[in-house]
Amino acid sequence: DAKTTQPNSMESNEEEPVHLPCNHSTISGTDYIHWYRQLPSQGPEYVIHGLTSNVNNRMASLAIAEDRKSSTLILHRATLRDAAVYYCMRGGTSYGKLTFGQGTILTVHP
Amino acid sequence: NAGVTQTPKFQVLKTGQSMTLQCAQDMNHNSMYWYRQDPGMGLRLIYYSASEGTTDKGEVPNGYNVSRLNKREFSLRLESAAPSQTSVYFCASSEPGGRKMEAFFGQGTRLTVV
Repeated sequence: DAKTTQPNSMESNEEEPVHLPCNHSTISGTDYIHWYRQLPSQGPEYVIHGLTSNVNNRMASLAIAEDRKSSTLILHRATLRDAAVYYCMRGGTSYGKLTFGQGTILTVHP
Repeated sequence: NAGVTQTPKFQVLKTGQSMTLQCAQDMNHNSMYWYRQDPGMGLRLIYYSASEGTTDKGEVPNGYNVSRLNKREFSLRLESAAPSQTSVYFCASSEPGGRKMEAFFGQGTRLTVV
């Protein structure tokens, strides 16, 4: 039970922003929201994580709803290299195990 | 900095054969994990080790055993391989509670059991 819900697939055009939604309506007060992505034929890689406030790093931004029941991963300018499966997960600071769901397959068109 | 290294990268086994998948990390992480990924599916946790000397079952532990040899190494053993264990196996490590909270994954071992 991944305890998060994501769309199966999304499409975008190159150099356009992409907003990947995630629903985690049963999240507890201490759970962090983690995003990973998996490029074809590779292991997953960390993208971003957050607790309550919106977060930015060199790869993406994470917008967290005020009630924390949903979040959105934002890729500001999609590139062909961003085509991957994106996984949204919830977990705590000492919760080392990551439970992967089906993820969202992102297709980026030239 | 190699990160997480898995060996071998590819392996074909006959039903009933045994083998050990090796994983090593050079980031001094306490926690290590083994996942499997079947075609078109997300990753499922097989076993994990929160720290050296401890191991615990994940979602799909049946048919596997693990050894946390030391802080660096975490191996996964298939005692009697079955076709249902055909999958891609990923090892990962992390430092839960650390500021970065980032898990690092290896490149995977593609195992086929015939």
